[in-house]
Amino acid sequence: DAGITQSPRYKITETGRQVTLMCHQTWSHSYMFWYRQDLGHGLRLIYYSAAADITDKGEVPDGYVVSRSKTENFPLTLESATRSQTSVYFCASSELADTQYFGPGTRLTVL
Amino acid sequence: GIQVEQSPPDLILQEGANSTLRCNFSDSVNNLQWFHQNPWGQLINLFYIPSGTKQNGRLSATTVATERYSLLYISSSQTTDSGVYFCAGRGYSGAGSYQLTFGKGTKLSVIP
Repeated sequence: DAGITQSPRYKITETGRQVTLMCHQTWSHSYMFWYRQDLGHGLRLIYYSAAADITDKGEVPDGYVVSRSKTENFPLTLESATRSQTSVYFCASSELADTQYFGPGTRLTVL
Repeated sequence: GIQVEQSPPDLILQEGANSTLRCNFSDSVNNLQWFHQNPWGQLINLFYIPSGTKQNGRLSATTVATERYSLLYISSSQTTDSGVYFCAGRGYSGAGSYQLTFGKGTKLSVIP
């Protein structure tokens, strides 16, 4: 039972490049979420999805794009990476918008 | 949105000691969760507890929804309890809003 996985686990990129972070869950949970974790700010929601083809903005969506064509996948794309997007990114899922289960995280560095 | 305050921000315990972590919310919440982030960064869900009391081994949590706070109790602490404990809640901000707001966390260090 793989649960929820993220790839890559570590990524270094340059300013202006497009980066896609992948999230995959095997539970067929309806809800999926993307958070970023930064010192001093804690965890903040970027985007979430209530089902395939249904997405909505969270607290800090600027500079990010999401899609959800399949229930199990929820990729996060940084269209033109900036240094301020250096962070640890967590994906999470839940069935009934209650208990959230987190992936292992992706540490992204933008040079 | 709601504000979430956690206290204390830092806590150092001797192995075997008990502790209480607190989470206060600025408004009513309909979804309250406690998480543990271990030293390797993994976030583990401890409790989904919008009200009442739950126990899981040495950990227990109580939420008093009417007074907008929740408590996490750790008994007989072990070094593996070290890490950061987060609480998170979702306010009644309208249909379709599933945003959890996280507190800044309590960093717990358990020393042998």
